[in-house]
Amino acid sequence: QQQVKQSPQSLIVQKGGISIINCAYENTAFDYFPWYQQFPGKGPALLIAIRPDVSEKKEGRFTISFNKSAKQFSLHIMDSQPGDSATYFCAASYTSGTYKYIFGTGTRLKVLA
Amino acid sequence: DTAVSQTPKYLVTQMGNDKSIKCEQNLGHDTMYWYKQDSKKFLKIMFSYNNKELIINETVPNRFSPKSPDKAHLNLHINSLELGDSAVYFCASSPLFGSYNEQFFGPGTRLTVL
Repeated sequence: QQQVKQSPQSLIVQKGGISIINCAYENTAFDYFPWYQQFPGKGPALLIAIRPDVSEKKEGRFTISFNKSAKQFSLHIMDSQPGDSATYFCAASYTSGTYKYIFGTGTRLKVLA
Repeated sequence: DTAVSQTPKYLVTQMGNDKSIKCEQNLGHDTMYWYKQDSKKFLKIMFSYNNKELIINETVPNRFSPKSPDKAHLNLHINSLELGDSAVYFCASSPLFGSYNEQFFGPGTRLTVL
């Protein structure tokens, strides 16, 4: 119930293409779903986040799609750029008193120039 | 200017030694965390402190002991280091204790146990 399953493990996309990373969860008490971006040698940084009361959130080229009934959410990167090459983590958090993040296993994205 | 800083950035040590990693945040945040990222990049929370009070203590061996002398600092002391402790350790902070808060991560400390 605590798991967040993320796929694919790695992804190669041509410049200008769309990158799609998927996550699935089981615990319906989760109520905050952030995506973090991590460059090599750096700490993760928040990219975009969504709450379950909306089905989509867009910030620039980054969009989260959220399907509450399917307990799935995904990150779409439009017009992918070589500078987007990084590891992406989805996460889920819930109001149970600890508010801890449960991270997905990460997706290593490589955008070819 | 660094928001969340960690020292040292790299730590190489022998099995059985005791070592500490220091973390400081200058963001004025109430909550701080320690995460472990293993060789497969899996990121897992270890501890969380809110206003110097321990909130989250995951199933971490008791060789790991966090200490928060004040709201801006959260240190991690590790006794009797083992090969399996080799990983990157991240400190993070968030403004308040709650679900919707962004966590700000430090640059990480790469620990290698020989």
